[in-house]
Amino acid sequence: GAGVSQSPSNKVTEKGKDVELRCDPISGHTALYWYRQSLGQGLEFLIYFQGNSAPDKSGLPSDRFSAERTGGSVSTLTIQRTQQEDSAVYLCASSLGGAGIGYTFGSGTRLTVV
Amino acid sequence: AQTVTQSQPEMSVQEAETVTLSCTYDTSENNYYLFWYKQPPSRQMILVIRQEAYKQQNATENRFSVNFQKAAKSFSLKISDSQLGDTAMYFCAFITHGSSNTGKLIFGQGTTLQVKP
Repeated sequence: GAGVSQSPSNKVTEKGKDVELRCDPISGHTALYWYRQSLGQGLEFLIYFQGNSAPDKSGLPSDRFSAERTGGSVSTLTIQRTQQEDSAVYLCASSLGGAGIGYTFGSGTRLTVV
Repeated sequence: AQTVTQSQPEMSVQEAETVTLSCTYDTSENNYYLFWYKQPPSRQMILVIRQEAYKQQNATENRFSVNFQKAAKSFSLKISDSQLGDTAMYFCAFITHGSSNTGKLIFGQGTTLQVKP
C-alpha cells in the first residue's frame, strides 16, 4: 500500500481480555517496528522484525506481549490478559532497511483498557 | 547507554516567528543518523529532517534547519516563519550504523510546540 496501515484505529477493551493489533507495512519494506507511546510520553521500542524474524524483542514489557509477522508483510501484536497500564498508543513503522533512511509510521492504535 | 534528551517539554511561538527546539543525545558510536519527527494531533509521525553524523554541513528542508554540533552531541531544530500547521509534538531521534545495529530508533521524550496566531 501507499502507507503503513494500522487497525483498529481505536480499541477499548476490558481488563483481562486479549487484544490483537494489526500493522500492514509499505509493500517491499523488509524492516518493521512496534513502538508504544503512553500519554504525553516519548516512544518506547517494543520489537523489530527483519522479514519474518524478530532479531530484537528486547522492548516487550512482559510475557503477555507477543508479536508475529507473516509473509514478510503483515504483523500482529498481541497483548494477553490486558492491564490498565497497557493503555497507550501502539505505533507501527516500516523501513526498507539501512540506518539512514528513517521509518514510515502508521497512525497508530489507541488502546484503552477499562 | 544510548539516550536522547529534549529539555523543553512545551514551547510556544507566534505565527511567522522563529523557534528553536533543543536536543542532546549520548552514544559511544561514531557513525549514526539523527532525525526530527513531527507528530500532529492525528498521531501520524512525519519525518521532518535528517542528518548524517559524518556530514559537517547542517541539513535544511525549506523552513526547517538543524544546528548539528557533533562534539557537543547536540542537534537542535530551527523552524523559521512558523505556521499554525507546525503545531505538533516534535521528537528528536537517532539511530546508529554499526554491525550490531537493528535499525532501532532511539527517541527523546518530545517537545510540544504551539504556534499562536
